Amino acid sequence: GAGVSQSPSNKVTEKGKDVELRCDPISGHTALYWYRQSLGQGLEFLIYFQGNSAPDKSGLPSDRFSAERTGGSVSTLTIQRTQQEDSAVYLCASSLGAKQETQYFGPGTRLLVL
Amino acid sequence: QKEVEQNSGPLSVPEGAIASLNCTYSDRGSQSFFWYRQYSGKSPELIMFIYSNGDKEDGRFTAQLNKASQYVSLLIRDSQPSDSATYLCAVNRQGNNRLAFGKGNQVVVIP
Repeated sequence: GAGVSQSPSNKVTEKGKDVELRCDPISGHTALYWYRQSLGQGLEFLIYFQGNSAPDKSGLPSDRFSAERTGGSVSTLTIQRTQQEDSAVYLCASSLGAKQETQYFGPGTRLLVL
Repeated sequence: QKEVEQNSGPLSVPEGAIASLNCTYSDRGSQSFFWYRQYSGKSPELIMFIYSNGDKEDGRFTAQLNKASQYVSLLIRDSQPSDSATYLCAVNRQGNNRLAFGKGNQVVVIP
């Protein structure tokens, strides 16, 4: 795989349910980012992982949101007790390393909370 | 003040003309600057990045950076219908790896 992959591509869920979104970064990229893009809005930073360092969680909007990255590769973003305002496109990006490296985006997961 | 601002509304340009997009940022510590193109329903793709003051050209695209004025722009020469998309300005502060994005500028190239 040459690029960042994400799954599922689309997710429809009911309010109150938990969802898990997956990101597989470009092979060899040590940095991984999650962003959210709501309709008509810019990209909003959620969380950043770099190697074995503690993640930067400063963008997570509430404690219902969490993310983990296992083995320094695949990451999972979990949203618990989803709300309608969580409906958005969740984008994952990866970069070769830290320090201002160019970020490459995956195709995103479109989440709709009914 | 927003971290990254792109204030212009939708930009319509005739095919072959120059499209000019502007972006301002608030943090003087910002070190790297990116322009992404996003087609409707798709994810952002990198067009240009620039780190130093001045101009950087890549094909029909030119990025211009003025750190003193906290201003970065993107010029698209010989605009093509395939350039019709939303262009996102993104800024990365030194020591902070997250990108701050503007809301984007929609460009429509009219054949």
